[in-house]
Amino acid sequence: AQSVTQLGSHVSVSEGALVLLRCNYSSSVPPYLFWYVQYPNQGLQLLLKYTTGATLVKGINGFEAEFKKSETSFHLTKPSAHMSDAAEYFCAVTIGNEKLTFGTGTRLTIIP
Amino acid sequence: GAVVSQHPSWVICKSGTSVKIECRSLDFQATTMFWYRQFPKQSLMLMATSNEGSKATYEQGVEKDKFLINHASLTLSTLTVTSAHPEDSSFYICSASGGITGANVLTFGAGSRLTVL
Repeated sequence: AQSVTQLGSHVSVSEGALVLLRCNYSSSVPPYLFWYVQYPNQGLQLLLKYTTGATLVKGINGFEAEFKKSETSFHLTKPSAHMSDAAEYFCAVTIGNEKLTFGTGTRLTIIP
Repeated sequence: GAVVSQHPSWVICKSGTSVKIECRSLDFQATTMFWYRQFPKQSLMLMATSNEGSKATYEQGVEKDKFLINHASLTLSTLTVTSAHPEDSSFYICSASGGITGANVLTFGAGSRLTVL
């Protein structure tokens, strides 16, 4: 079975600073990895995904993530935080059957 | 494209009543839809997989008789919380596979917040 661990339930960064949200996965087969963002009282919006191919994937809103098999990681980054980035971020994994397993989420706070 | 609509977005009901939540794929056909439950400040837990024209597949620990799922068409799945109790209060989110977002990518609805008094 696959699993996801998100390190840090809360992350605070200053506006304009680097955003780094950590995600490590466990899977017995090559995984598909996703990052989703959730704003209060809303559903999830896909930020980016890794399936195969290039290990550095770019998503919406300036976010990107790098799949590192050797480290079993898929950390999410953004060079410069914006106030509108404040939200809950979920890392998720699947082995290709569309049944996503989510991490516990990281709440990102942006400090003005 | 690839829009999933949930209705209602929030509902308050009395204990013992039943509540139906709808999940519609607006611009694509979804043979498979998923229902999740999210407790405050927690992650999403998959409740069941809804397949058009067949019975839903429930995850371990989810009561089939409590959470009735019907996927009667390629664009509609419904979740009915029967005889709701305060502990059923939660945020319910559906997702659908298909659409232009590609394989293995789910489109999520905006969620339905259920409060049982």
